[in-house]
Amino acid sequence: QVQLVESGGGVVQPGRSLRLSCAASGFIFSTHAMHWVRQAPGKGLEWVAVISSDGSDENSADSVKGRFSISRDNSRNTLYLQMNSLRIEDTALYYCATTSDCDSTKCFRPFDNWGQGTLVTVSS
Amino acid sequence: DIVMTQSPDSLAVSLGERATINCRSSQSVLWSSNNKNYLAWYQQKPGQPPKLLIYWASSRESGVPDRFSGSGSGTDFTLTISSLQAEDVAVYYCQQYYSDPRTFGQGTKVEFK
Repeated sequence: QVQLVESGGGVVQPGRSLRLSCAASGFIFSTHAMHWVRQAPGKGLEWVAVISSDGSDENSADSVKGRFSISRDNSRNTLYLQMNSLRIEDTALYYCATTSDCDSTKCFRPFDNWGQGTLVTVSS
Repeated sequence: DIVMTQSPDSLAVSLGERATINCRSSQSVLWSSNNKNYLAWYQQKPGQPPKLLIYWASSRESGVPDRFSGSGSGTDFTLTISSLQAEDVAVYYCQQYYSDPRTFGQGTKVEFK
């Protein structure tokens, strides 16, 4: 079955960088658009970014635009989130998620598979 | 951005009783070309990722018990748990996937009375 395993989280100072990874298995990774969604401690869910199946197109939330970059390596079945210029308010559990039957960033479907998340704490 | 507003923020229900959660979007999420509402409901238990329950406002995800149902259209939606079970204690979120950014409601915590 579909498995998504995030890694790379940790404690980082404001202004520094971190790269998250999401290892995918159980489905044909190269045919699926992929997303990052985050959840601040004790708070709700916030969509962060999406990338197309071939990596040619992406989109992100205004709150991270220009600081975060989503990418993928289809040969390694892995999704990435490069987070630069981190802020206190970026502290959250970061999930990767898939939507069935979607290869494009403009394909709108619910998130039907989620990883367990990786925790990013931005603190001085 | 489409703002999703859920009510109530929390809900205490007796075992076996009905639980009703409302979700309102700041603009319609009904796509006229296919007559589908781009609205989903998720359940999140402590320490777990969200789990998809309902999509297209009223379609139940495979494996989801039939005590969960979704209704509504346009801007007003409802998630109903017809007979609350112990394992249904969780936070429930609605989400629109009509346009980017895909936005979620603030969540509704369902507890036992």
